[in-house]
Amino acid sequence: GNSVTQMEGPVTLSEEAFLTINCTYTATGYPSLFWYVQYPGEGLQLLLKATKADDKGSNKGFEATYRKETTSFHLEKGSVQVSDSAVYFCALSHSNTGNQFYFGTGTSLTVIP
Amino acid sequence: ETGVTQTPRHLVMGMTNKKSLKCEQHLGHNAMYWYKQSAKKPLELMFVYNFKEQTENNSVPSRFSPECPNSSHLFLHLHTLQPEDSALYLCASSSTSGYYNEQFFGPGTRLTVL
Repeated sequence: GNSVTQMEGPVTLSEEAFLTINCTYTATGYPSLFWYVQYPGEGLQLLLKATKADDKGSNKGFEATYRKETTSFHLEKGSVQVSDSAVYFCALSHSNTGNQFYFGTGTSLTVIP
Repeated sequence: ETGVTQTPRHLVMGMTNKKSLKCEQHLGHNAMYWYKQSAKKPLELMFVYNFKEQTENNSVPSRFSPECPNSSHLFLHLHTLQPEDSALYLCASSSTSGYYNEQFFGPGTRLTVL
């Protein structure tokens, strides 16, 4: 079946550090892949997405590349800010399951000044 | 109002109370979802409605009763809940007409069951 595995948190970084949050998936064929972000006290917001192999999603300095060969969609940012402190969720959807979403467990990021 | 709205934002109820959560989407979507988000647990999909018809019920206890009167509104009726039902309840909506249909989330209702 479809599933997503992402690295356990919490992650604590200093401001301007490099961020990587690992995400791997299990699915047949070509799912669509997403990163969502949840700021404290809010719902989930779409951060970026990629819909086919080798696509790179990017937004607000974050990037993730859809790697079919490693079934991965790792989230990266070159220089994090305090305002990036949030919980990040990797997710996939697939047309073979009616576009139902499968979310990872979430990775909490805290950026300290 | 834009996007997906949820009311109330916070709710405290006793185990014998009956209450309802409301979700409204202003995006013209035809699918709506209820999720439960508990601390230290993955996001749990509870119910899915597509064109007002329930298409998914992930073994949710009957003390949670969804209602979708039209494609823009979704309710979650609650009765005789347990303390372990305390969580953040998130509503989401999406289109299903395209191939890549991201879900748009509301801010959630923080529910505490005493």
